Order: sequence, then structure tokens, then C-alpha cells
Amino acid sequence: EVQLLESGGGLVQPGGSLRLSCTASGFTFSTYVMGWVRQAPGKGLEWVSAISGSGGTTYYADSVKGRFTISRDNSKNTLNLQMNNLRAEDTALYYCATYVGYWGQGTLVTVSS
Amino acid sequence: DIVMTQTPLSLSVTPGQPASISCKSSQSLLHSDGTTYLYWYLQKPGQPPQLLIHEVSNRFSGVPDRFSGSGSGTDFTLKISRVEAGDVGVYYCMQTLLPAFGGGTKVEIK
Repeated sequence: EVQLLESGGGLVQPGGSLRLSCTASGFTFSTYVMGWVRQAPGKGLEWVSAISGSGGTTYYADSVKGRFTISRDNSKNTLNLQMNNLRAEDTALYYCATYVGYWGQGTLVTVSS
Repeated sequence: DIVMTQTPLSLSVTPGQPASISCKSSQSLLHSDGTTYLYWYLQKPGQPPQLLIHEVSNRFSGVPDRFSGSGSGTDFTLKISRVEAGDVGVYYCMQTLLPAFGGGTKVEIK
């Protein structure tokens, strides 16, 4: 059974940092593009970042470029998102996801003073 | 960036009747490998999105054949042949050339 389990969300002040992690199981992790999708309360879905199976190619939405860094460790089946200089508009439920239908349940990030 | 535009924003459908959602991209989604990376998702309330259709017209595992996808280039359509109560939620198209979602179409039952 495929499982994606996110962790690391929480409450942080504007300008602060958080590191999200996603642990995958049930599929050959290293062969899948992985990414982070967020959903602000009551809003639609936004692709935040994605990374190729090897880790050699990355994508960032303009809204997070220069502040967020995606990485993966294929030996541990983990995906990470380092989020720096967080803003109120980064408040959202962050999902770990593949392009092809595997999603976690999400971890909530709240940026507020 | 590739902008994905969905219409309509919302849809109210009588059970048993068909429904159709349009998705238009600002540039062609045909990859150089010959594949068009266009997907359709349904997000039910309180749940993560679930994949319905991948690569324009291929139903994901377990998706009923009431759901079908079509299109090419920049114009795509999701059709539900006979809407059921369990089909309510927000439908999103998504492309993975420069990953992005459409704005969503909320489907409710009359």
C-alpha cells in the first residue's frame, strides 16, 4: 500500500523557518517526481515545488522562489521542503504528492505573530 | 508559466444527468516525448485530491467509466456521463510541464 506521511508543520512567526518532511513507502520512491502542493484555507491547489527522481532537476513556484528549497534522500525515501522567510500568505495545508496520484494527508503550516 | 483556466467555476447537476468541465492551457501541453501531461483530480470535502484521469484520457485505477477525459494541445474536457451524489466536490485540471492547477470547478447536486 502506498503511503506518504508528512510532518514538520506548525505555527511560526513571520520571517521564521520550518522544515517539512515526507516519508514514502509502498512504491519505488527514486523513480518518481515528488513535490509539495499547498492549499490555503478555502482556496485552490498550488504546486509549490517539485523535484525529479534523481534530485537533479527542481521546480519552484514564483511565490516561493529564493525562500523555499526542496530536496530528497532516496536512500531513506524522504522528501523535504526547507521554508525560510515565511510570510502570512504561506499559511496553508501542505501536501506531499507525486504527479501520478499519490498524495499524503497534509501538514498544516500557520504563519502568524 | 503555463496558466490553466477552468470553466465553469461551479456546476449544479441533477443526479443521472451528464456534466462537462473545460480546461484550457496558455500553451500546448504536448511534451517532446509525445505525451500530453494533463491530469484531472477530484477533491472531496476534507480530503486530499484523488486522481481521476492521467495523460488526458486514461482513467486511474478504480475510477468508474462514467468519467472520461479528452482533448489535445491546449483544450481539454472532463465529462461525467451520469452524475451521482458521490461525485460532489471540486474538480481540478493539472499539467506537469511547469506544474500548475486550474482554478477548480465546484460540482454540487441539485
